[in-house]
Amino acid sequence: ELKVEQNPLFLSMQEGKNYTIYCNYSTTSDRLYWYRQDPGKSLESLFVLLSNGAVKQEGRLMASLDTKARLSTLHITAAVHDLSATYFCAVVPKETSGSRLTFGEGTQLTVNP
Amino acid sequence: NAGVTQTPKFRVLKTGQSMTLLCAQDMNHEYMYWYRQDPGMGLRLIHYSVGEGTTAKGEVPDGYNVSRLKKQNFLLGLESAAPSQTSVYFCASRRTGTNYGYTFGSGTRLTVV
Repeated sequence: ELKVEQNPLFLSMQEGKNYTIYCNYSTTSDRLYWYRQDPGKSLESLFVLLSNGAVKQEGRLMASLDTKARLSTLHITAAVHDLSATYFCAVVPKETSGSRLTFGEGTQLTVNP
Repeated sequence: NAGVTQTPKFRVLKTGQSMTLLCAQDMNHEYMYWYRQDPGMGLRLIHYSVGEGTTAKGEVPDGYNVSRLKKQNFLLGLESAAPSQTSVYFCASRRTGTNYGYTFGSGTRLTVV
């Protein structure tokens, strides 16, 4: 059974600080997705990581993928209040039918002024 | 271009009642998915479909049925609702092929009393 674990589950940080969210998964995969969810809203796609060593950046967020370690990171640089949300990683295992996503539990990020 | 549309957005059911949630996409996507999201958890896959006329079970299929009679629609049915089915339900779709992302609907908030 595929397990996707995020760490930490809750993160409270000050504006201007840096931090990293970790996503570990238990099976072979070369496709990993990061999503953002605001309270009461749907999921917003942030990054799609499709190969080992992939790195993508958008604004204050940068995501990377290490398929050998089965690890992805979402790095936050100089956090601002607008980044407060819940962040999910999701994995598609290799050799799975239907490209089914398996999600982590989510990291609830609060950025304090 | 509406993307993925879910109806209804909110519903309250009594235990034992039945209902159908509708997911419609106008992007000609082959794959469609139903997920549920419970507090403090990531999304869990209920059922999915890889094309018109096909359906398959996901991680938590018990108590639900699905149908995909038309490519653009994916219906999720609850035959006899239970309080444990109180959740937010998300539909998603995607094209076939590795490099494509997933489009999520806005969700249906279901309460079973």
